[in-house]
Amino acid sequence: GAGVSQTPSNKVTEKGKYVELRCDPISGHTALYWYRQSLGQGPEFLIYFQGTGAADDSGLPNDRFFAVRPEGSVSTLKIQRTERGDSAVYLCASSSIDGKQFFGPGTRLTVL
Amino acid sequence: AQSVTQLDSQVPVFEEAPVELRCNYSSSVSVYLFWYVQYPNQGLQLLLKYLSGSTLVESINGFEAEFNKSQTSFHLRKPSVHISDTAEYFCAVSDGSQGNLIFGKGTKLSVKP
Repeated sequence: GAGVSQTPSNKVTEKGKYVELRCDPISGHTALYWYRQSLGQGPEFLIYFQGTGAADDSGLPNDRFFAVRPEGSVSTLKIQRTERGDSAVYLCASSSIDGKQFFGPGTRLTVL
Repeated sequence: AQSVTQLDSQVPVFEEAPVELRCNYSSSVSVYLFWYVQYPNQGLQLLLKYLSGSTLVESINGFEAEFNKSQTSFHLRKPSVHISDTAEYFCAVSDGSQGNLIFGKGTKLSVKP
């Protein structure tokens, strides 16, 4: 596609539930990033993939968060046992070798 | 660890006035600097970046930023703003050209007629 796409655009869930957020990067981009943006804050890094492998997952807040990119393209961010504090906009970005990151529109997650 | 400070959370200005949005980062051996813009109800877009070379970088819509190593700053400027520049601006830093970005908290620029 022309840009990074993310689905769903909005997700409302109940505390304790499991959610999956999907990111489709720009075709051919080898690097893929997940960020989280809470209200009034800048985006906060979560995890970075180079190809299929996680090159840096130091930003994942705890073991309830996990992300995969099995074929080096689409990525899924998975959150187990959601908590109200997980409510935020989850952003995905991809980049080619020049490092210029293109961001998707985000998924707004609300945990009730 | 790297950190980014945007000193102003909100900057109101009148149309055609000059504006400066301030950004300071924690020092590092090498650093790449970025400004992203987020227009209302839209995603983040790269405005300009400094990787190496000339310390003054420009965007296509009249913004410019200057990398100042001694002051660890990367302030964003525009000599004459338009209503359409109303948006939130984020400064970001990376340790490598493909590394993750560390963002500031953002500055909301509000341009009034």
